Amino acid sequence: DIQMTQSPSTLSTSVGDRVTITCRASQRISSWLAWYQQKPGKAPKLLIYEASSLESGVPSRFSASGSGTEFTLTISSLQPDDFATYYCQQYNTYPWTFGQGTKVEVK
Amino acid sequence: QVQLQESGPGLVKPSETLSLTCAVSGDSISNYYWSWIRQPPGKALEWIGHVYHSGGTKYNPFFESRVTISFDTSKNQFALKVSSVTGADTAVYFCAGSPRRFYYDTSGEHGYMASSMDVWGRGTTVTVSS
Repeated sequence: DIQMTQSPSTLSTSVGDRVTITCRASQRISSWLAWYQQKPGKAPKLLIYEASSLESGVPSRFSASGSGTEFTLTISSLQPDDFATYYCQQYNTYPWTFGQGTKVEVK
Repeated sequence: QVQLQESGPGLVKPSETLSLTCAVSGDSISNYYWSWIRQPPGKALEWIGHVYHSGGTKYNPFFESRVTISFDTSKNQFALKVSSVTGADTAVYFCAGSPRRFYYDTSGEHGYMASSMDVWGRGTTVTVSS
């Protein structure tokens, strides 16, 4: 299975900060990577697909880049609604696998 | 717009079979791959497998032969069965949909694939306990 490793596991930050989360794949996955946001008690929400494409309706402060094995998700100016856990997921190879998650919390 | 709703028992006894269904409403049903994902308490998401409306399936080998996912076109719903459950199967179970997309990569390889999961159910909690 392809292992997805996110860093950091927890990010303590403030409203207005620029936030960057990294996801590394144990094998090359081209650009077949998605980013999801999950709030407590809720289903994940797709933010980014194909490594850098913004899902319809997602604010433009979210952006992402990468290909191969290294990927990043950036929030340009953190808003109160952005405190949540973020997951990367590869869909290049079965079984699909998720990262362990990055919790963005209030500093 | 596609919407999903999970249903099924919230409590299952050890060694029995967990059975859930996901009702699909909206258009483009035939253009999606339908997945089950689970999340044990306080842990990360785990992809269980998916089914295409024609019946083709892909499973996570972690579950070995315990899992079956099927699609019922007459009811517009898909189902998950997990046999021989233990406490480790206690989790929130989500159903989700991935659009079927055509791809053409730089090496010239092309075809159809399941894309990222852009529609999700709310999730249903299943506890395995006697």
